[in-house]
Amino acid sequence: DPKIIQKPKYLVAVTGSEKILICEQYLGHNAMYWYRQSAKKPLEFMFSYSYQKLMDNQTASSRFQPQSSKKNHLDLQITALKPDDSATYFCASSQDLGGRDTQYFGPGTRLLVL
Amino acid sequence: GQQVQQSPSSLVLQEGENAELQCNFSSTATQLQWFYQSPGGSLVSLLSNPSGTKHTGRLTSTTVTKERRSSLHISSSQTTDSGTYLCAIDLTGYQNFYFGKGTSLTVIP
Repeated sequence: DPKIIQKPKYLVAVTGSEKILICEQYLGHNAMYWYRQSAKKPLEFMFSYSYQKLMDNQTASSRFQPQSSKKNHLDLQITALKPDDSATYFCASSQDLGGRDTQYFGPGTRLLVL
Repeated sequence: GQQVQQSPSSLVLQEGENAELQCNFSSTATQLQWFYQSPGGSLVSLLSNPSGTKHTGRLTSTTVTKERRSSLHISSSQTTDSGTYLCAIDLTGYQNFYFGKGTSLTVIP
C-alpha cells in the first residue's frame, strides 16, 4: 500500500484558475514538505511543516498556500495559476524536522497550466 | 548560484559495469542524501550520508565533508538501475533539501 498519497496524479488547469493538490502520509511522520520539479530547474524545496505548523517557506509567491487540516495531511493551494506553474509537485515527509531523518516522497502531481 | 553540482550529467553503461557518480556542493551540509528518480518520475531515497562511507546492497557512498563532495558507486549495474540519480543537501539542519540536476544513467543489456 502506498504510504504517501498524492491526488490527483494529473491536473490540467487554465490560466487564472485555482487548484488544490492533496497529500496524505501514513508513515506516522511529524514533518511534511512540498517540492516542485519543472523541466527547466532541479527539484526545488517549497515548504516545510512540523506538527502542522509552517517552519520554512522558500516560495516567493503568496499564490502558493499550504494547508494542514490534520497531522498527516498537507495540501497545497495554488491561486491565479500561470503557465510557469506547470511542474510536478512532490509531497514528502520525515519522522521529524531536525536531525538526519530520511525523507520519503510521494508519487507527485503533474500540473499543466494552459 | 547553484548549490549542488552533479557529474557526469549522463552516463551509459553495459550491464555489469560499475558506475561512479559525483556530487559537489558549495556550502557546508548538515545532511546529504542520494535519491533515485525512476523514468516514470517516482523518487526513492537511496542513502543518507552526511560524512564517511556507507553501503547498502550494490551502492556505496563516500562523503568528504571538508572537501564538500560525495560520490555514489554502483557496482555490477543492472538494466533496472536506469534512471536519474539525484544528490541533495540540507544546509539548515531542518530538512530543506537543495537538489542537483542529477545524473541520468542508462544501463544497456
